[in-house]
Amino acid sequence: GAVVSQHPSWVICKSGTSVKIECRSLDFQATTMFWYRQFPKQSLMLMATSNEGSKATYEQGVEKDKFLINHASLTLSTLTVTSAHPEDSSFYICSANRASNQPQHFGDGTRLSIL
Amino acid sequence: AQTVTQSQPEMSVQEAETVTLSCTYDTSESDYYLFWYKQPPSRQMILVIRQEAYKQQNATENRFSVNFQKAAKSFSLKISDSQLGDAAMYFCAYREYGNKLVFGAGTILRVKS
Repeated sequence: GAVVSQHPSWVICKSGTSVKIECRSLDFQATTMFWYRQFPKQSLMLMATSNEGSKATYEQGVEKDKFLINHASLTLSTLTVTSAHPEDSSFYICSANRASNQPQHFGDGTRLSIL
Repeated sequence: AQTVTQSQPEMSVQEAETVTLSCTYDTSESDYYLFWYKQPPSRQMILVIRQEAYKQQNATENRFSVNFQKAAKSFSLKISDSQLGDAAMYFCAYREYGNKLVFGAGTILRVKS
């Protein structure tokens, strides 16, 4: 069964609103989670590394104020797309490792559509 | 920074036949992990197979096997007895320090019946 849960799976909202996406590790504690963005028929691009109890580490070119990441507990990381615009429409996926020598488990992704 | 290259945007295979997907990577590290992930139309990311760089033996998972050539920095995926359910986008990935994954551009695999 799924070990990483992501919610919601699909969201449509108006331009200018903020959208929160949740990523949960279901049966393990994850000190680190990862957020990716994927455009249609393209690869996954790492946006940021979410660190429990501290600030996220953003990849070059990712706007920190646009994509707010909070990792308040060992099983939950959230990504908030602030003041979303149509160009923010994309597929967002999170992942987490059970342990450093284990492969990453991915959530099922969130399809975000901004009208 | 490490890079992963998948030079085949699309591949086709006849059902029951064998297909090989190519992947090369660039790194200065000696110990690392390599992965193949499958992404079907549902867009779930499914781990197909993984290889630890310090292990010389090629990893195998049922119909899936890899040809890992460390010196050449090559990590190809062979799918034997292809099935319709194998149709998907396949991503090669390198795991660097801090557990971050670097993905290749992906290869779309089509399976013909």
